[in-house]
Amino acid sequence: AQSVTQLDSQVPVFEEAPVELRCNYSSSVSVYLFWYVQYPNQGLQLLLKYLSGSTLVESINGFEAEFNKSQTSFHLRKPSVHISDTAEYFCAVSRQGAQKLVFGQGTRLTINP
Amino acid sequence: KAGVTQTPRYLIKTRGQQVTLSCSPISGHRSVSWYQQTPGQGLQFLFEYFSETQRNKGNFPGRFSGRQFSNSRSEMNVSTLELGDSALYLCARASSSGDFGAGTRLSVL
Repeated sequence: AQSVTQLDSQVPVFEEAPVELRCNYSSSVSVYLFWYVQYPNQGLQLLLKYLSGSTLVESINGFEAEFNKSQTSFHLRKPSVHISDTAEYFCAVSRQGAQKLVFGQGTRLTINP
Repeated sequence: KAGVTQTPRYLIKTRGQQVTLSCSPISGHRSVSWYQQTPGQGLQFLFEYFSETQRNKGNFPGRFSGRQFSNSRSEMNVSTLELGDSALYLCARASSSGDFGAGTRLSVL
């Protein structure tokens, strides 16, 4: 079975500062990894995903995440955050070829001006 | 066009009633999964359908059921609603796509 741990429930940062949201997973088989963002009263939006290939994946809005198999991590980073990045972020894992996603508990990112 | 369409967006029901939610993945995608999101339990897997067959089921009581039709549309049914069933219900197509619908927010009064 897979499991996901998001190490921080809340992360406050100042605008234009860098941020890292940490995600560790546990699995005995090969996995797919995902980061989702959820704005208040909205559904989940896919931010980026790792399926295979390059271990560094990027999103169109400046976020990136690196798959580290040896450390079983998939941390999300952004070099400079904006007020509009305030949201909850979820890391998720699925076994390759399976449909079931296992989610972490979420990290609430708060951007202060 | 959205990859997954969920209807309705909002529902208000009372305890003891039943409810049916709908999910339509974009044409050609045969896999659908359902999730429940609550403040206390987070995001939890309900079940998965592929080509009209339930392939996997989460740890939910039998009051939660689902089905999938030949056009890939899926419905989720909750009978004898309880207050704790108030949640955002999300539907996803194939996990490798990472694509979710906007969700149905169910409030049980």
